[in-house]
Amino acid sequence: QVQLQESGPGLVKPSQTLSLTCTVSGGSISSGGYYWSWIRQHPGKGLEWIGYIYYSGSTYYNPSLKSRVTISVDTSKNQFSLKLSSVTAADTAVYYCARDGRYCSSTSCYYPLDYWGQGTLVTVSS
Amino acid sequence: IQLTQSPSSLSASVGDRVTITCRASQGISSYLAWYQQKPGKAPKLLIYAASTLQSGVPSRFSGSGSGTDFTLTISSLQPEDFATYYCQQLNSYLQAFGPGTKVDIK
Repeated sequence: QVQLQESGPGLVKPSQTLSLTCTVSGGSISSGGYYWSWIRQHPGKGLEWIGYIYYSGSTYYNPSLKSRVTISVDTSKNQFSLKLSSVTAADTAVYYCARDGRYCSSTSCYYPLDYWGQGTLVTVSS
Repeated sequence: IQLTQSPSSLSASVGDRVTITCRASQGISSYLAWYQQKPGKAPKLLIYAASTLQSGVPSRFSGSGSGTDFTLTISSLQPEDFATYYCQQLNSYLQAFGPGTKVDIK
């Protein structure tokens, strides 16, 4: 059973860099050909996809955040990480890490988010 | 690709049949997933490929649609189904979620 766990500071000052790590257990991050995602949810709001990374290091980011986001992977620790620079109060949210599963039929493959971490609240405040 | 959901919220009773709609701004074939989220919890995958039930999800949940219009149906609402439901397009590498539909108790 794959499990994901976010970790990192719960409070970040404005203009600083938010840094979170997702530790994966129950499976190797570098096997299976999966993508690994970060998603956030502002208080009382919907889900916002931040970006994802392949174990090889290929990344894709939400264009609205691309200039401030870096996602990296450390296969030796079975972890992937999120850095969001120049944060403001608008970046206060619950941050989730998740696995993009791979489900293939004879004609197509689908990559829904099938395993999620519990989420961690990050507050941006001085 | 933008996703809209309707209604944004609904009130229903245990045993009711509930239908939630998700519409994509352009055709996405069957590249759509549905999630359930309860307060304080991470979302849970219910359906992918528009209509394929994720393992372990009760059969009262079903999905349909293709192209731009999709539906999530709960055939007989149970107390544990009161939650917010999100659709997600899987068509492009730029993932996006719908705004959500909150299902609460009438």
